[in-house]
Amino acid sequence: NAGVMQNPRHLVRRRGQEARLRCSPMKGHSHVYWYRQLPEEGLKFMVYLQKENIIDESGMPKERFSAEFPKEGPSILRIQQVVRGDSAAYFCASSLLYQQGANEKLFFGSGTQLSVL
Amino acid sequence: AQTVTQSQPEMSVQEAETVTLSCTYDTSESDYYLFWYKQPPSRQMILVIRQEAYKQQNATENRFSVNFQKAAKSFSLKISDSQLGDAAMYFCAYRSRTHNNNDMRFGAGTRLTVKP
Repeated sequence: NAGVMQNPRHLVRRRGQEARLRCSPMKGHSHVYWYRQLPEEGLKFMVYLQKENIIDESGMPKERFSAEFPKEGPSILRIQQVVRGDSAAYFCASSLLYQQGANEKLFFGSGTQLSVL
Repeated sequence: AQTVTQSQPEMSVQEAETVTLSCTYDTSESDYYLFWYKQPPSRQMILVIRQEAYKQQNATENRFSVNFQKAAKSFSLKISDSQLGDAAMYFCAYRSRTHNNNDMRFGAGTRLTVKP
């Protein structure tokens, strides 16, 4: 089991470009979470998806950010027209079941470091 | 809204000694879960230990144990017999047991240095 795979590990974009971050959950996991980590801060929840459905996007900015988790293929976090404030580490996590009781273990990827020039 | 506070930005410990990392949280809920995650330089988030709020017994995982004080809303992590590999950022996290709550709240982290 390869674990949660995120790519690219580092992504550099100029202001105004688009950033696409990919996340392949652990084998058999159908629940994906995206978090953002600013320097010297903890992770902040952005969005929770199941296959082909966005379940909770309460932590995601309303503009420029979108996420998807298609039936086939990885989950994608897309940031349009990036600005310098988008520079951060973006982490994906997956779980096997819906987090009933909130105790279901989350498995994290190693993150994508986005740098906006 | 629930908040998690880690008041120690940095801590250091001598190899083989014991260190305690502090965490406090604010919530009006009575049923929730608390976690400690370790983030080494590789950036991988690794679950160290977790505690259910309804359990009075403190969780233990080998050299890692917690002191959970529900009334004080305190959840400290004790690392015994510290090893060089324990050096990392440590994050305390809170998660409600509410059905629709998908938001795990993290503290700002404590950077632990282990001196040989």
